[in-house]
Amino acid sequence: AQTVTQSQPEMSVQEAETVTLSCTYDTSESDYYLFWYKQPPSRQMILVIRQEAYKQQNATENRFSVNFQKAAKSFSLKISDSQLGDAAMYFCVRAGNMLTFGGGTRLMVKP
Amino acid sequence: EAEVAQSPRYKITEKSQAVAFWCDPISGHATLYWYRQILGQGPELLVQFQDESVVDDSQLPKDRFSAERLKGVDSTLKIQPAELGDSAMYLCASSSSWGRNEQFFGPGTRLTVL
Repeated sequence: AQTVTQSQPEMSVQEAETVTLSCTYDTSESDYYLFWYKQPPSRQMILVIRQEAYKQQNATENRFSVNFQKAAKSFSLKISDSQLGDAAMYFCVRAGNMLTFGGGTRLMVKP
Repeated sequence: EAEVAQSPRYKITEKSQAVAFWCDPISGHATLYWYRQILGQGPELLVQFQDESVVDDSQLPKDRFSAERLKGVDSTLKIQPAELGDSAMYLCASSSSWGRNEQFFGPGTRLTVL
């Protein structure tokens, strides 16, 4: 089975600080895509950031950036200047021949 | 702003009954996904459509679950008969194409089986 593992069930960060969420995945494919999705409490899932596996450059979107280590099959998400609205479940997703979600990390932001 | 619509938002049923969920994707989106999300876990892909064709239903329990997208637009997911273990959030998502593109999620249908 091609799995996606998020080893941190819960994380906590102080407002305005930086936090990194971890993700590792298993794949035998060379062409695939990686995503981080955010699911706020009682709200719809939305895309945070996307990374094409063939690109070496790490994706960034405003306060969100990734550290993509293809050889290590690692795809961590860094959130800078954390805000209260960042509190949510975060899911790492691998999309290749199969589409697989990780188990999620619950991020709490302390004021 | 275009959104993925799902109904009903909540469904309570007794085991052995039949239930059906409906999803209307964003207009023009060829790819439609149904997921099951158990509380506290990540979504599990049940079925993926490309237009009206099923491209992946490997995780769909076919003895009791069925899904269709007859005209390649809206879709229905059915469970018959429902079991206690089917209690979960059922999410629908759509995207303009498979794989690389962003998925847009609906609000989900929360199913409780008594």
